[in-house]
Amino acid sequence: SSELTQDPAVSVALGQTVRITCQGDSLRSYYASWYQQKPGQAPVLVIYGKNNRPSGIPDRFSGSSSGNTASLTITGAQAEDEADYYCNSRDSSGNHLRVFGGGTKLTVL
Amino acid sequence: EVQLVESGGGLVQPGGSLRLSCAASGFTVSSNYMSWVRQAPGKGLEWVSVIYSGGSTYYADSVKGRFTISRDNSKNTLYLQMNSLRAEDTAVYYCAREYSSSWDNWFDPWGQGTLVTVSS
Repeated sequence: SSELTQDPAVSVALGQTVRITCQGDSLRSYYASWYQQKPGQAPVLVIYGKNNRPSGIPDRFSGSSSGNTASLTITGAQAEDEADYYCNSRDSSGNHLRVFGGGTKLTVL
Repeated sequence: EVQLVESGGGLVQPGGSLRLSCAASGFTVSSNYMSWVRQAPGKGLEWVSVIYSGGSTYYADSVKGRFTISRDNSKNTLYLQMNSLRAEDTAVYYCAREYSSSWDNWFDPWGQGTLVTVSS
């Protein structure tokens, strides 16, 4: 089955731009979706498809993809963006499975 | 309002069984793909299982043969029957509505989660 790899931790200065990446073979065939999870809370969808934001998600969140890498970019990071971020995609083996990345802990300095 | 509410978690001994429920409101479970995702304490998200609107079911290798996903259309509720539980199944279990196309998938919304602890 497929695997998605994320950096365990990333930091960004308040108001600066940060990119969180997700790598995996399945991303050559499928777009990633991205989730924000704060301590003690359920995950929340922030980006899906080519670069779509659900209602209520600030436009400072954006997504992109190239080859086997998907990226979540936060332009002008805010203190409330400090959270864990997970990517997800379909498994590319044609077995109907899904896969999550290991998660990235974002610290806003 | 679209909402998912899980229940049924608790403490169970290794080898035991537990059934989780996920009650949906604001949409019809049987018309959607529905998934279970779990998160072990201090760890990341792990996809567990999906049931398609047509009824097909699929499982992660880690639970295949032990867990069964199902739904009750009359109750608009999703279930996860968990048998032969192991310590490594200890986690918060989330249910989520899943959208899926030929080139992507995403989960929205998620329930609040229910904690399953497997321990003697």
